[in-house]
Amino acid sequence: DQQVKQNSPSLSVQEGRISILNCDYTNSMFDYFLWYKKYPAEGPTFLISISSIKDKNEDGRFTVFLNKSAKHLSLHIVPSQPGDSAVYFCAASRSGGYQKVTFGTGTKLQVIP
Amino acid sequence: DAGVTQSPTHLIKTRGQQVTLRCSPKSGHDTVSWYQQALGQGPQFIFQYYEEEERQRGNFPDRFSGHQFPNYSSELNVNALLLGDSALYLCASSILSGTGFPQPQHFGDGTRLSIL
Repeated sequence: DQQVKQNSPSLSVQEGRISILNCDYTNSMFDYFLWYKKYPAEGPTFLISISSIKDKNEDGRFTVFLNKSAKHLSLHIVPSQPGDSAVYFCAASRSGGYQKVTFGTGTKLQVIP
Repeated sequence: DAGVTQSPTHLIKTRGQQVTLRCSPKSGHDTVSWYQQALGQGPQFIFQYYEEEERQRGNFPDRFSGHQFPNYSSELNVNALLLGDSALYLCASSILSGTGFPQPQHFGDGTRLSIL
């Protein structure tokens, strides 16, 4: 049962344009969502998060949007840079105490110079 | 400030053998989680340790066990290895947030386990 889904395995974007990565979830108990970036041969690196009490969170070039009614979140990267080329994982968990984080299958972003 | 360190980086075993993977958490972190990442998939949660006890567990058989030591470091043990256990094993550490929203986890670079 894939509770967190990233339906686009890959995405190519021109440098300077916007990258939009999408994620859907099925478990309505999830109330905390994260995006991680992963380069080859490295572990995932935390990028940005959002809690269910918000519908938007920004950090520099990165913005995450949450639509609770649609159980959908997206990550916007503006402007995209070649160094952003990586695999992006969407993840979800519940608040309070010990966290069991559920990851999506990832979207490989390629930013073309 | 050292981040999460894992050892070894690569390991080759044969079916039926046992393996132990090790993890040192980021300084100041008290919680360690282990994940299995198969090729082309996202990390799958195995279990989480806090105060030397297993606190949460994913859908993994009892062949997967772990331990956390008083210095917060952790081990993942896998018995009776199967070909399907070939994967990247990731360790992540964090600070237990209590009743608030979880603190983001910091990941190590993983141990690549190959079963022949």
